[in-house]
Amino acid sequence: EVQLVDSGGDLVQPGGSLRLSCAVFGFTFSDHYMDWVRQAPGKGLEWVGRMRNKARSYTTEYAASVKGRFTISRDDSKNSLYLQMNSLKTEDTAVYYCARASSTSGRWYFDLWGRGTLVTVSS
Amino acid sequence: DVQMTQSPATLSASVGDRVTITCRASQSISNCLAWYQQRPGKAPKLLIYMASTLEPGVPSTFSGSGSGTEFTLTISSLQPEDVATYYCQQYITYPLTFGGGTKVGI
Repeated sequence: EVQLVDSGGDLVQPGGSLRLSCAVFGFTFSDHYMDWVRQAPGKGLEWVGRMRNKARSYTTEYAASVKGRFTISRDDSKNSLYLQMNSLKTEDTAVYYCARASSTSGRWYFDLWGRGTLVTVSS
Repeated sequence: DVQMTQSPATLSASVGDRVTITCRASQSISNCLAWYQQRPGKAPKLLIYMASTLEPGVPSTFSGSGSGTEFTLTISSLQPEDVATYYCQQYITYPLTFGGGTKVGI
């Protein structure tokens, strides 16, 4: 079955760190760009960042709100995506979704989403 | 950043009604627009990409149109399972941005 399974969410204190994981099943992970998107409680969707595939040298893009604090990585041999979150703030509290990006004409949209994992930043 | 503005924020309609949601971009995004459905407590699901291309498996009651800065999502006959929040998203430039969402109820 084609699916993304995100995990690693937890309660963490402000200033702390956390690493999220996304396990991929049922498709060729290495072909795709992969993203993280978050949703604060009762709020809308916010893009966090992207890692491109090997063909694009695994380059990354980040939202301004997380740049310098969050790092996306991937291990194609393990079909896994990661989000390292440092210097966490209370406003980072959200459900974090990993999302697969697919392309039409060189533009990449999200065509598959994980179920999400909850990160709560609170003292 | 490209700002995406959806309207209305909420709407209530009857089963069988035709429903239209509008999404406006603060600058031209060509046809690089996707629509997602998020049912309560669930992850988002892709409905439409390239403004008007229906994702396989999505009912044909959903359709999208527009280009440049004005886009619409139409549900031609609202069904109970369509109760959800709908988001538009531009993917032509970084940061990728979403509209604020339209909550559809019956």
